[in-house]
Amino acid sequence: DADVTQTPRNRITKTGKRIMLECSQTKGHDRMYWYRQDPGLGLRLIYYSFDVKDINKGEISDGYSVSRQAQAKFSLSLESAIPNQTALYFCATSDPRQGASGYTFGSGTRLTVV
Amino acid sequence: QKEVEQNSGPLSVPEGAIASLNCTYSDRGSQSFFWYRQYSGKSPELIMFIYSNGDKEDGRFTAQLNKASQYVSLLIRDSQPSDSATYLCAVRGGHNYGQNFVFGPGTRLSVLP
Repeated sequence: DADVTQTPRNRITKTGKRIMLECSQTKGHDRMYWYRQDPGLGLRLIYYSFDVKDINKGEISDGYSVSRQAQAKFSLSLESAIPNQTALYFCATSDPRQGASGYTFGSGTRLTVV
Repeated sequence: QKEVEQNSGPLSVPEGAIASLNCTYSDRGSQSFFWYRQYSGKSPELIMFIYSNGDKEDGRFTAQLNKASQYVSLLIRDSQPSDSATYLCAVRGGHNYGQNFVFGPGTRLSVLP
């Protein structure tokens, strides 16, 4: 099983719909992140959480919300999806005790808003 | 000015050649530097990280860091077609983003057989 699992892998939704992307991890890491990736723009941070009671906005949080249900689960919601939220979304985890281990990424969710 | 800049490419090199990928960053407080490889449609995977000025070698890969010039590079020796991917530079520990990573847009590398 993957260390960081994202569901769904692909999703097409209509403008105005609410959608939730889910992320679960078996790494035991406290820190979890949501990024979106657009061609030519790289990965941009949406929200991050350093533990269950900690939620922080990233660079591009407008139009998104998150929920940290447990250490292992971090969900991203689009309250009212719009076409420019069409992107590849990645969940990632990290453990600050491991220094330079970097992030462990999930496989990504490709979201299309029509 | 973007926090982390990379030439988007594509960078094309023949098989067996050295591929040189470059990255500049704006936050002088940045402390650690990472290179990720990302195949099309896949998630990024960590190749190397570097903290100190100079070179760090791992197999066919060498990371080079020059903090005075705010520049980090990745050299890939004996390039193989399987190295064809997008390479993301990531920076951490700056004043603006603290412990979070800031990613560059990536450089697409194509190794020609």
